Amino acid sequence: GQNIDQPTEMTATEGAIVQINCTYQTSGFNGLFWYQQHAGEAPTFLSYNVLDGLEEKGRFSSFLSRSKGYSYLLLKELQMKDSASYLCAVRGDLFSGGYNKLIFGAGTRLAVHP
Amino acid sequence: GAVVSQHPSWVICKSGTSVKIECRSLDFQATTMFWYRQFPKQSLMLMATSNEGSKATYEQGVEKDKFLINHASLTLSTLTVTSAHPEDSSFYICSARDRFRFYEQYFGPGTRLTVT
Repeated sequence: GQNIDQPTEMTATEGAIVQINCTYQTSGFNGLFWYQQHAGEAPTFLSYNVLDGLEEKGRFSSFLSRSKGYSYLLLKELQMKDSASYLCAVRGDLFSGGYNKLIFGAGTRLAVHP
Repeated sequence: GAVVSQHPSWVICKSGTSVKIECRSLDFQATTMFWYRQFPKQSLMLMATSNEGSKATYEQGVEKDKFLINHASLTLSTLTVTSAHPEDSSFYICSARDRFRFYEQYFGPGTRLTVT
């Protein structure tokens, strides 16, 4: 089966660092994505990992460990506008029949306070 | 670049009527488009995968006769919700995969459907 777990909600302070974890168990794996979604809007792409390790992109970094089925999104120097839902999504592979299909986790609602 | 549009952005319809939602890739060719549904405070659920020039592939539990998908060109896919019921009220989002940028999907802004 497909299972992607993320914390439901997190809170953090402006200027701080927050780490959002994602664990997954899927029948196939061909990359992990992080998206940001503000209420009532479509998701916007943040990062993509297909190999183990850390990908850094400005204030956002994402880490992947395929052997552990684990990823995290790290947000630095938090701003109020970072208050949003953060979605972890796994892309299936050709052999599992889920090629290029994204399976989304339930999302983590992050609230950034002054 | 990589802009996906959806039309309409919101629609209210009466029970029993049909509603068509368009998804367009504005500056790239999309051989594959995906349709998602999102209920309040829930994540995106994939409904179907739409491939240009062929029949859509529906996820388990999604009624293909109720949610008609047509992907007639490399830049346009449509989702028609037939005989809509209040429980079909949801946020419908499409995404498109650039035929030359293999790993990424670009999301449209979504369509809010309310069935009264």
